[in-house]
Amino acid sequence: SQTIHQWPATLVQPVGSPLSLECTVEGTSNPNLYWYRQAAGRGLQLLFYSVGIGQISSEVPQNLSASRPQDRQFILSSKKLLLSDSGFYLCAWSAGRRQTEAFFGQGTRLTVV
Amino acid sequence: GDSVTQMEGPVTLSEEAFLTINCTYTATGYPSLFWYVQYPGEGLQLLLKATKADDKGSNKGFEATYRKETTSFHLEKGSVQVSDSAVYFCALTPNAGNMLTFGGGTRLMVKP
Repeated sequence: SQTIHQWPATLVQPVGSPLSLECTVEGTSNPNLYWYRQAAGRGLQLLFYSVGIGQISSEVPQNLSASRPQDRQFILSSKKLLLSDSGFYLCAWSAGRRQTEAFFGQGTRLTVV
Repeated sequence: GDSVTQMEGPVTLSEEAFLTINCTYTATGYPSLFWYVQYPGEGLQLLLKATKADDKGSNKGFEATYRKETTSFHLEKGSVQVSDSAVYFCALTPNAGNMLTFGGGTRLMVKP
């Protein structure tokens, strides 16, 4: 069966520090991968998605970047965090065929102080 | 572009009350429709889905029917429990792709 791992679960970082969140998927190949952000009390905002290694699409211009160095690994990064980067970050994957649901990791609670 | 609109919360109910959370969508063709649930501090879990018109998705006592004529996918449960307290998200994937579009989420609070 397929599983998705996302870490760390919580993170407190000072303003201006770098960020690296990692997500890996097991039990499937060539998944579509996604990073979402959920601000407190708000809905889900799609940040990045990837349909293959090295293929990243950005939905919202911002202080973050994403990379996919391996087929089942998706990394969210920042060189210098802002206070506004605080939120709940969710990684997800879906199969590469049409109209399939996405499966989510447990999320990372990021607090920038 | 595609969009999903769901009722704003919070929705507060007493245990054993009937639940309806409205969801309507805008999309071309025949999207697939989903309800996800998010318990406090956790990621999203797929609750149910429907992939074509008139399909009924069901799980854990929750149901939703894909209504093409009203472009709706309302979530219902006949008798809610305290453990159903969570945030519920309606979502769709388009007919020609697999990018999820989410509604804004509805927080449900069930009181004993």
